Amino acid sequence: DQQVKQNSPSLSVQEGRISILNCDYTNSMFDYFLWYKKYPAEGPTFLISISSIKDKNEDGRFTVFLNKSAKHLSLHIVPSQPGDSAVYFCAASRDDKIIFGKGTRLHILP
Amino acid sequence: DGGITQSPKYLFRKEGQNVTLSCEQNLNHDAMYWYRQDPGQGLRLIYYSQIVNDFQKGDIAEGYSVSREKKESFPLTVTSAQKNPTAFYLCASRPPGRGLLLYFGPGTRLTVT
Repeated sequence: DQQVKQNSPSLSVQEGRISILNCDYTNSMFDYFLWYKKYPAEGPTFLISISSIKDKNEDGRFTVFLNKSAKHLSLHIVPSQPGDSAVYFCAASRDDKIIFGKGTRLHILP
Repeated sequence: DGGITQSPKYLFRKEGQNVTLSCEQNLNHDAMYWYRQDPGQGLRLIYYSQIVNDFQKGDIAEGYSVSREKKESFPLTVTSAQKNPTAFYLCASRPPGRGLLLYFGPGTRLTVT
């Protein structure tokens, strides 16, 4: 039973355009959501988070939107840069546990 | 510098042998976690520990064991009972009061043949 779903295994975006990564969840008890970025053979690094009491959080080129009624969140990266090419994991948390999605591989095209 | 270290980066073992993966942190974090990454599977929780001398099973704990004798250390043993041990193993720690933000180590790639 997959509680956090990233339905797009990969996404290709032109450099300079907007990248939108999507994530759906099933458990309405999740109260904190995070996005991590991961390069091959490295540990994930934290990117941005949002509490369930908010619907938007912005940090530089990165914005996360939360739609609680739809149990959906998205990560917007604008403008996309070559260094953004990586795997992005969506994560949701409740109590002491964090559940990760399967990840979306983002390719930024020159 | 503060951080999480995992060693070695690459580890090779023969089938049937137990192997212990090291995870050390000097961030003074109470909580530590072990995840496993497989292609197309994302990150799956093996074990986690909120405090010294206490730990809980995650979603895929079978075939693994852990100990938490010191705050700084959370080693993971992959036993011969683990049916598919070849994977990328990630250790993480969490600071108090920061939601559930995890800081990850660089990972250990374990190959069992």
